[in-house]
Amino acid sequence: DIQMTQSPPSLSASVGDRVTITCRASQGISNYLAWYQQKPGKVPRLLIYAAYTLQSGVPSRFSGSGSGTEFTLTISSLQPEDVATYYCQKYNSVSVFGQGTKVEIK
Amino acid sequence: QVQLVQSGAEVRKPGASVNVSCKASGYTFNTYGINWVRQAPGQGLEWMGWISAYNGNTNYAQKLQGRVTMSTDTSTGTAYMEVRSLRSDDTAVYYCARTNYYSSGSSDYWGQGTLVTVSS
Repeated sequence: DIQMTQSPPSLSASVGDRVTITCRASQGISNYLAWYQQKPGKVPRLLIYAAYTLQSGVPSRFSGSGSGTEFTLTISSLQPEDVATYYCQKYNSVSVFGQGTKVEIK
Repeated sequence: QVQLVQSGAEVRKPGASVNVSCKASGYTFNTYGINWVRQAPGQGLEWMGWISAYNGNTNYAQKLQGRVTMSTDTSTGTAYMEVRSLRSDDTAVYYCARTNYYSSGSSDYWGQGTLVTVSS
């Protein structure tokens, strides 16, 4: 089975900082990669699918890139409302989630 | 508007079964599929499997094969997920989420979650 490894497990950054989260697949997955945001006690929210396509309604400070085995989620200017845990998901036939990255404000 | 409304919280003893329902509205049910995802307390998301509401095809996570069954009722727009032989580590919030009809994909709408507690 394909494994998805996210890094870092957690990070702390200041408001306005650029934040990058990485997701690595143990085998190539083309661009079958999504990113979700989950705030404490809330349902996951789809941010990006097909590696870089922004879901409708998601602020443009979120962006995704990558293909094959390495992918990144970037928040261009961190806002207080971005405090959450972020998950990547490999899909197409079998889905697998990464372990999550907890983002906090410094 | 698209909504997925799940059944209420359940408490089961080890070895029992649980059935969670997910009623869809606001879209044509049989043109999409449903992913089932669970989240143990304080843990990450775990994909359990996928069912197509178009043709009933399923794909289950290997670790749950033999213990989980997913189904749909297109007449009512409802998806169901049954887990058998429950163990304490099945305690989790269970989510249904809309996805593609042809394969498990990303999920744009999620149910509110159903807490299943397994305890003797």
